[in-house]
Amino acid sequence: NAGVTQTPKFRVLKTGQSMTLLCAQDMNHEYMYWYRQDPGMGLRLIHYSVGEGTTAKGEVPDGYNVSRLKKQNFLLGLESAAPSQTSVYFCASSSQAYEQYFGPGTRLTVT
Amino acid sequence: RKEVEQDPGPFNVPEGATVAFNCTYSNSASQSFFWYRQDCRKEPKLLMSVYSSGNEDGRFTAQLNRASQYISLLIRDSKLSDSATYLCVVRGYNQAGTALIFGKGTTLSVSS
Repeated sequence: NAGVTQTPKFRVLKTGQSMTLLCAQDMNHEYMYWYRQDPGMGLRLIHYSVGEGTTAKGEVPDGYNVSRLKKQNFLLGLESAAPSQTSVYFCASSSQAYEQYFGPGTRLTVT
Repeated sequence: RKEVEQDPGPFNVPEGATVAFNCTYSNSASQSFFWYRQDCRKEPKLLMSVYSSGNEDGRFTAQLNRASQYISLLIRDSKLSDSATYLCVVRGYNQAGTALIFGKGTTLSVSS
């Protein structure tokens, strides 16, 4: 099992560009999450999903959209990137309310 | 008051030392508590869950004090490999009741 994988690992965007981050899990987990981690801020929840076809906002959802068309995939989109979105993005999945398993992260820089 | 608060450290200790980290949480209704470990530039990984009765896993002991809304992690006989950031995590309440709220982490550096 690969666990949770994220694509890409690194990306540099210019302000205003768009991109999609892909998260995939092979553990048949119902719940998936997107977090961002910034120095001095800790991990903050952007959006989450409790099942295929469902999504909900987390703590810091502005500027991001998500989709969960397949149970194993959770996509995070940035429609118009801003420098404030420079961060490390982590995807996680869990079986209901149990331990969350994290992917290796995507380091995004917006210039 | 922040939802989960931790002393950021860093804690610099020699090998073999005993070190304790503390964490406080603001929501008295919280039911689930965890310690995660995060190595530099890596993803967080579950270290241990924290139970009301306290629990131990080898050199690691976690305790919960619900009355004081306080969680602790004790590491005995520190190893170089224990150097990492330790995240105190509390299950928050959202629509699904599944969101985890992370503290900012406490950095531990163990030296020889």
